Amino acid sequence: NAGVTQTPKFRVLKTGQSMTLLCAQDMNHEYMYWYRQDPGMGLRLIHYSVGEGTTAKGEVPDGYNVSRLKKQNFLLGLESAAPSQTSVYFCASSQGTTDTQYFGPGTRLTVL
Amino acid sequence: KQEVTQIPAALSVPEGENLVLNCSFTDSAIYNLQWFRQDPGKGLTSLLLIQSSQREQTSGRLNASLDKSSGRSTLYIAASQPGDSATYLCAVNENNAGNMLTFGGGTRLMVKP
Repeated sequence: NAGVTQTPKFRVLKTGQSMTLLCAQDMNHEYMYWYRQDPGMGLRLIHYSVGEGTTAKGEVPDGYNVSRLKKQNFLLGLESAAPSQTSVYFCASSQGTTDTQYFGPGTRLTVL
Repeated sequence: KQEVTQIPAALSVPEGENLVLNCSFTDSAIYNLQWFRQDPGKGLTSLLLIQSSQREQTSGRLNASLDKSSGRSTLYIAASQPGDSATYLCAVNENNAGNMLTFGGGTRLMVKP
């Protein structure tokens, strides 16, 4: 039982490049989330999903897109990376909206 | 807009001491409050979740309380150990925001042997 896994662990991009972060969970959870963590700003929700095929915007969605084609996977895309998107990205999942959220180990992204 | 504040931002204690971490939030309309632990370079680990109807939750040496009306929660750690050194984060789940957790800035705890 791996819980929540994230791929890749580290990535360096140049401004304007695109990439996709993959999150996978094996707990059959309905809800999945993408957060970013920045010094002095704490953790902030980017997008979330309440089930397969659904997505919704969080607090800081601009510059990101997401997809949930399979229940166990939640993808976060950056179409044209900017230095302001340098951050640590965390994926999380939960069974319901008021249940404990389980976090992945994070992806450290640097945009030059 | 909900704001979550954690005081102190950093704390250093000798091993064996009992300690209290504080979390305050501005809007009392919450579903629940969660405490997490984050080790350097790692993800978050859930410690305790308190539903809005509950007053406290306990797990081992940890006890979390919730006073929703005053917008406060405390995390009590008994008999602290060096292995407790980490950053502790509280987060509130708001009624009107659905699934969104609003996090505090965290308290960085160092327990010295």
